[in-house]
Amino acid sequence: ELKVEQNPLFLSMQEGKNYTIYCNYSTTSDRLYWYRQDPGKSLESLFVLLSNGAVKQEGRLMASLDTKARLSTLHITAAVHDLSATYFCAVDIYTGTASKLTFGTGTRLQVTL
Amino acid sequence: DTAVSQTPKYLVTQMGNDKSIKCEQNLGHDTMYWYKQDSKKFLKIMFSYNNKELIINETVPNRFSPKSPDKAHLNLHINSLELGDSAVYFCASSQDPADGGALETQYFGPGTRLLVL
Repeated sequence: ELKVEQNPLFLSMQEGKNYTIYCNYSTTSDRLYWYRQDPGKSLESLFVLLSNGAVKQEGRLMASLDTKARLSTLHITAAVHDLSATYFCAVDIYTGTASKLTFGTGTRLQVTL
Repeated sequence: DTAVSQTPKYLVTQMGNDKSIKCEQNLGHDTMYWYKQDSKKFLKIMFSYNNKELIINETVPNRFSPKSPDKAHLNLHINSLELGDSAVYFCASSQDPADGGALETQYFGPGTRLLVL
């Protein structure tokens, strides 16, 4: 059974600081997604990583995928308060007929002023 | 225009009741999903439909029955509600993963917050 683990589970950081969220998974996959969820809200897609070595950047967030290490990272540069949210990685296993996402435990990010 | 919509947004009900949640997407997607998010924010897939056909059915009590009248709609009916069914239920949709071999992002609805008393 695929296991997807994120760490840390909770991250409190000051504005302006850098930090990285890690997503490890247990089964071979070359498709991984990052989502953001604000409290009481839906999930918003941030990044789609579709191959080994893929790197995507949007604003202060950068995501990367190492399929050999079964590891994805979400790097936050010079955090701002607006980035406070819960971030989920999700590993996609395509069965030939269906795409099945297995979500990580989530990392709750709190950016303090 | 809302891409993936769900009704109702909130649902408070008594144990033993039967309830339904509706989902509609206007993205032209072929594949729709139901997820459950528990109180610890853990998200788990329940069902997936492709063009009205059930293709993923995770280990979910048979009190939960999805129905897809057409490829733009996927409803979730729950019989004999239990306390443990309290959660947020998200509907999602995506392009058919088989199209061109490229997997597409799943777009999520706003969620239905179910509280069973």
